[in-house]
Amino acid sequence: QVQLVESGGGVVQPGGSLRLSCAASGFIFSSYAIHWVRQAPGKGLEWVAVISADSNIRHYTESVKGRFTISRDNSKNILYLQMSSLRAEDTAVYYCAKEEGFLLPFDYWGQGSLVTVSS
Amino acid sequence: QLVLTQSPSASASLGASVKLTCTLSSGHSSYAIAWHQQQPEKGPRYLMKIDTDGSHIKGDGIPDRFSGSSSGPERYLTISSLQSEDEADYYCQTWGPGIGNWVFGGGTKLTVL
Repeated sequence: QVQLVESGGGVVQPGGSLRLSCAASGFIFSSYAIHWVRQAPGKGLEWVAVISADSNIRHYTESVKGRFTISRDNSKNILYLQMSSLRAEDTAVYYCAKEEGFLLPFDYWGQGSLVTVSS
Repeated sequence: QLVLTQSPSASASLGASVKLTCTLSSGHSSYAIAWHQQQPEKGPRYLMKIDTDGSHIKGDGIPDRFSGSSSGPERYLTISSLQSEDEADYYCQTWGPGIGNWVFGGGTKLTVL
């Protein structure tokens, strides 16, 4: 069955960096775009970034442009989110989500990884 | 601007039915949407995609108690025979042709009485 497992979260000081990983299994990882979505404590879902199956296309929400980088290793079935210059408002649970296909919804989600930005 | 609007809360009794609404912003009434369920302390779970004509395709393992429909700019999620485990937050999602255009509604917290 499809599984997405995030890791790498933790507590980091403002201005610091952190790298999240999302290990995928149960589907042909190299055939699908994958997204990062975050959820601040007590808040709703916010789309963060997407990477196409072949890594040629990457998009980011405005608030993380220039600070976050999404990447993937199709040989290892792993998605990454490199986060730098972190701010308190980046505190959230970060989920990876598989896109069902072009102009289709997210059909599988991970369980999330908590990132806390605090001094 | 592509926006989805949801009521913050809803409630219904155990065994009853409830209909949740997601409204597309003006000019976007032909967009498809998806519904996702998030139970407490868990990651979201994909429920179904609903097209403008009300046709819907469910995700893997989603019970028949969950169904979808559509009317104009509104997309609905109906849950029948409510069970305690249906108490959760429900988010609608849509996606536009523009760059980085993936949008979530604010979510509806469903309480099963």
